[in-house]
Amino acid sequence: NAGVTQTPKFQVLKTGQSMTLQCAQDMNHNSMYWYRQDPGMGLRLIYYSASEGTTDKGEVPNGYNVSRLNKREFSLRLESAAPSQTSVYFCASSFQGAGNSPLHFGNGTRLTVT
Amino acid sequence: KQEVTQIPAALSVPEGENLVLNCSFTDSAIYNLQWFRQDPGKGLTSLLLIQSSQREQTSGRLNASLDKSSGRSTLYIAASQPGDSATYLCAVRPSGAQKLVFGQGTRLTINP
Repeated sequence: NAGVTQTPKFQVLKTGQSMTLQCAQDMNHNSMYWYRQDPGMGLRLIYYSASEGTTDKGEVPNGYNVSRLNKREFSLRLESAAPSQTSVYFCASSFQGAGNSPLHFGNGTRLTVT
Repeated sequence: KQEVTQIPAALSVPEGENLVLNCSFTDSAIYNLQWFRQDPGKGLTSLLLIQSSQREQTSGRLNASLDKSSGRSTLYIAASQPGDSATYLCAVRPSGAQKLVFGQGTRLTINP
């Protein structure tokens, strides 16, 4: 059981380059999330998708776009990377409904923008 | 706006001790509270989830309590082991919200 899978694990970009972070879950969860984690700032929500076909902004959406490709996959795109986007990015998923499940996280993508 | 605080930021104890980690939140209108563990370079692993109607949850040597009226939760770890060394985070899901609000975490070190 793979859980939440993120690719790539590591990435170095130059300012202005673009990239897409991929996330897939195999737990049949309806909700998916993208967080970034920075020292001293904790975990901050970038975007989330409560269900297939919907996406909503979190606390820090500027500079990012997302796509909920299907129930399993939720991607995060940086159109023009900036040094301020150097961070560790985590994808997470859960079942939100009458019986909520815990949030399951991937192992993260460590992104450096130079 | 819901805020979650975890004090202390770091804690070091000898192996075998029982210990308590604290989490406080400012708004008692929550749907649930979760405790997570994060090992260096890894993602978060869910340890316990307490629904707002519950007072506590137990899993092995871990026991989490919830007091909504006072805005507090504790994570009790019995007979600590070096393998328990990690950062522990709590998060609340506010009522009516889809997203969690996280604390900054407590970095726990268990010394052999």
